[in-house]
Amino acid sequence: EAGVAQSPRYKIIEKRQSVAFWCNPISGHATLYWYQQILGQGPKLLIQFQNNGVVDDSQLPKDRFSAERLKGVDSTLKIQPAKLEDSAVYLCASSWGQGVNEKLFFGSGTQLSVL
Amino acid sequence: EDQVTQSPEALRLQEGESSSLNCSYTVSGLRGLFWYRQDPGKGPEFLFTLYSAGEEKEKERLKATLTKKESFLHITAPKPEDSATYLCAVQAGSARQLTFGSGTQLTVLP
Repeated sequence: EAGVAQSPRYKIIEKRQSVAFWCNPISGHATLYWYQQILGQGPKLLIQFQNNGVVDDSQLPKDRFSAERLKGVDSTLKIQPAKLEDSAVYLCASSWGQGVNEKLFFGSGTQLSVL
Repeated sequence: EDQVTQSPEALRLQEGESSSLNCSYTVSGLRGLFWYRQDPGKGPEFLFTLYSAGEEKEKERLKATLTKKESFLHITAPKPEDSATYLCAVQAGSARQLTFGSGTQLTVLP
């Protein structure tokens, strides 16, 4: 089966600019996740959708980050304006059910560099 | 607040030299402990889920075990292709999110 697709693979922007990332989960997966992985650290959940509703966005910096999941399928994550500390890999993942004791399928991520 | 600590941060082994990676956790009401493998430039790939103390799971050269405070990932006779970062994560209480550790970067030399 096709995996989780993300684009772009790399993005370089200057601080205060905006950027958007796109994710297409595995077909039929109900839950979609956006994680931020800073170099040398484990992934940190930013937002979790079940179908097209938000389940958890407690760690999303809402003053600059936004995300949506259109029709319960694809998702976009936006940062506006970007800060230097946003430099990280942004990982999208999906799972079949509600995300409880489920394995997650990750995409290869978007590596963001903010200069 | 759930906490996950992995050790060592980095480990270099000779091919065939067995060892263990540690994941210690502090949570309220563990629901599941997960092991993932991450190759450079890729997203994490699922390896195991453990649910209760005493449980063990195996896959090829890897065996994961769980106690009430920690989990071990044992690697028997590793090969260079086992080189990767191994991440541990927990899901606890009513939370649906995973809390990840910082990982152990394993290098297996031929």
